[in-house]
Amino acid sequence: DTEVTQTPKHLVMGMTNKKSLKCEQHMGHRAMYWYKQKAKKPPELMFVYSYEKLSINESVPSRFSPECPNSSLLNLHLHALQPEDSALYLCASTTGSVVKTEAFFGQGTRLTVV
Amino acid sequence: AQKVTQAQTEISVVEKEDVTLDCVYETRDTTYYLFWYKQPPSGELVFLIRRNSFDEQNEISGRYSWNFQKSTSSFNFTITASQVVDSAVYFCALSEPQGGSEKLVFGKGTKLTVNP
Repeated sequence: DTEVTQTPKHLVMGMTNKKSLKCEQHMGHRAMYWYKQKAKKPPELMFVYSYEKLSINESVPSRFSPECPNSSLLNLHLHALQPEDSALYLCASTTGSVVKTEAFFGQGTRLTVV
Repeated sequence: AQKVTQAQTEISVVEKEDVTLDCVYETRDTTYYLFWYKQPPSGELVFLIRRNSFDEQNEISGRYSWNFQKSTSSFNFTITASQVVDSAVYFCALSEPQGGSEKLVFGKGTKLTVNP
């Protein structure tokens, strides 16, 4: 199984809503990532979890709150978002070891904030 | 800081033409990794190739080939006999290893359209 599964695929939320994005992998990877991709732009790193600990936060606003409940799951909790937060949110995973491999990406969640 | 430049924003070719996508990178690290990813309209990033900084061998995989030249900091990607299914956005990326995790720095991408 070389898949990273993200749910939901599409999400429309109001600025006062609270929602969560979910990401799951069963490859035994120990590093998991959230990337944000605006239309016609490259993905930009938001957060990295390494061995279930937050290791990188790229100065992301607090209205985005990541969580890694276990080594297979990664969540992104959303609260009080702005319309400019509308984007494709991509989850990825890597082995997390010194042996470097490619990152496996999920299909993403297309988020629209209204 | 690390940087990846893909100067070609959009390329349009006719099926069966060969096409080369350019990638130039900047880094101060001696150990680094370069990647190419394909992003079809469905959104997921599909891994194509990984190359580490110590391996300058060019690689061929079917219709795809990659030319890594450290002297010019370039990692170009050629598709031979292009097909309509090759239409996608292609990203070149550079990895900044940070302990056990890696931060990918992406170029802006090249949108390839292959017309029948």
